[in-house]
Amino acid sequence: QKEVEQDPGPLSVPEGAIVSLNCTYSNSAFQYFMWYRQYSRKGPELLMYTYSSGNKEDGRFTAQVDKSSKYISLFIRDSQPSDSATYLCAMGFMNTGFQKLVFGTGTRLLVSP
Amino acid sequence: SQTIHQWPATLVQPVGSPLSLECTVEGTSNPNLYWYRQAAGRGLQLLFYSIGIDQISSEVPQNLSASRPQDRQFILSSKKLLLSDSGFYLCAWSVGTGHGYTFGSGTRLTVV
Repeated sequence: QKEVEQDPGPLSVPEGAIVSLNCTYSNSAFQYFMWYRQYSRKGPELLMYTYSSGNKEDGRFTAQVDKSSKYISLFIRDSQPSDSATYLCAMGFMNTGFQKLVFGTGTRLLVSP
Repeated sequence: SQTIHQWPATLVQPVGSPLSLECTVEGTSNPNLYWYRQAAGRGLQLLFYSIGIDQISSEVPQNLSASRPQDRQFILSSKKLLLSDSGFYLCAWSVGTGHGYTFGSGTRLTVV
């Protein structure tokens, strides 16, 4: 079993739809959780990170963590064609001085106009 | 502000040729540095990480090596490339824990 599981997609939605992207993980010791967005042929860019269970909102994006279920989600409201990208979840431990993240394989999102 | 530079952006190399990819970070001191490879449909594979000058840890045994001759410079090398070395190589940096990595723009390597 992989430490982090993520559906590769592609997930195709019309413009304006609410998008739900999800990851499950097996290691209950993970302490913080992130979402990265990666456009084609570019490096991933950090979208959001959170340390605790619950929701964190930033504009059209909401990150949700359920530690009891080992499940994290990223919701995108009013999706735009510019949101078309691959979204990777990542998680890590709060070791002192050094972090080694574990990444999901990414979900490809396609938002059609 | 911190920036990360990675070059070249694309590279086509014959099998058996050497490789040198360079990554530099500006605007921060003593960063942790990482080299990842991303193959199509296979996610990010951590190759090397470094917590300081000349301190390199290898995650995957292969014909690649890494060096950190200066605090903010990280180099990925190979003496003889294999076809299986093709992929998208990403450099990243972090400071402390809990804030994620900042990735470079990547190098797309095609070994022919």
